[in-house]
Amino acid sequence: AQSVSQHNHHVILSEAASLELGCNYSYGGTVNLFWYVQYPGQHLQLLLKYFSGDPLVKGIKGFEAEFIKSKFSFNLRKPSVQWSDTAEYFCAVIPFGSGTYKYIFGTGTRLKVLA
Amino acid sequence: GAVVSQHPSRVICKSGTSVKIECRSLDFQATTMFWYRQFPKQSLMLMATSNEGSKATYEQGVEKDKFLINHASLTLSTLTVTSAHPEDSSFYICSASLAGSTEAFFGQGTRLTVV
Repeated sequence: AQSVSQHNHHVILSEAASLELGCNYSYGGTVNLFWYVQYPGQHLQLLLKYFSGDPLVKGIKGFEAEFIKSKFSFNLRKPSVQWSDTAEYFCAVIPFGSGTYKYIFGTGTRLKVLA
Repeated sequence: GAVVSQHPSRVICKSGTSVKIECRSLDFQATTMFWYRQFPKQSLMLMATSNEGSKATYEQGVEKDKFLINHASLTLSTLTVTSAHPEDSSFYICSASLAGSTEAFFGQGTRLTVV
């Protein structure tokens, strides 16, 4: 079965620290890849997405992610986190050719940034 | 970005009663909406795909007679949890996408507690 793994369930960082959140998926075909963020009390919002082309994708708020096909990975990074980045982050995959836009989500990573 | 509104955000109901959750696309038309369920410390699991003007498509293991979905208009989908039991207590989230786009816009979610 297709699945998405996020290895870090809770991450605590100090402001200005660098962030990397892991995401791996299990699907052998072409995929669309996403990172969503949910700030406390708010809706899930799109951070960035990858469909094709340059495997290094830049999103909003200084986030970026790199698609490494050979590793089935799409890790999220930010060079210097801020207190306002405290949120829950979800990696998601749409297997290409699934017929509809069905997301498969990871379990999420709760990030807490200490001021 | 497009806005999806979900109502109510929290509901407590007695075991055996039914609960209706609404999902509205506020500034766009959505021919397809999706309903997810999230258990604590687990990922969002797709329950069903709601199609305007036709029957919903349910994922394997989801009881269609228990989770009734109605997508009567291009801006409204409803999920009714019938004869709710404590094990139905969960966080339910809907999403919708613009035509031709895989980016999903999410509602704020509904926390259902069955007592």
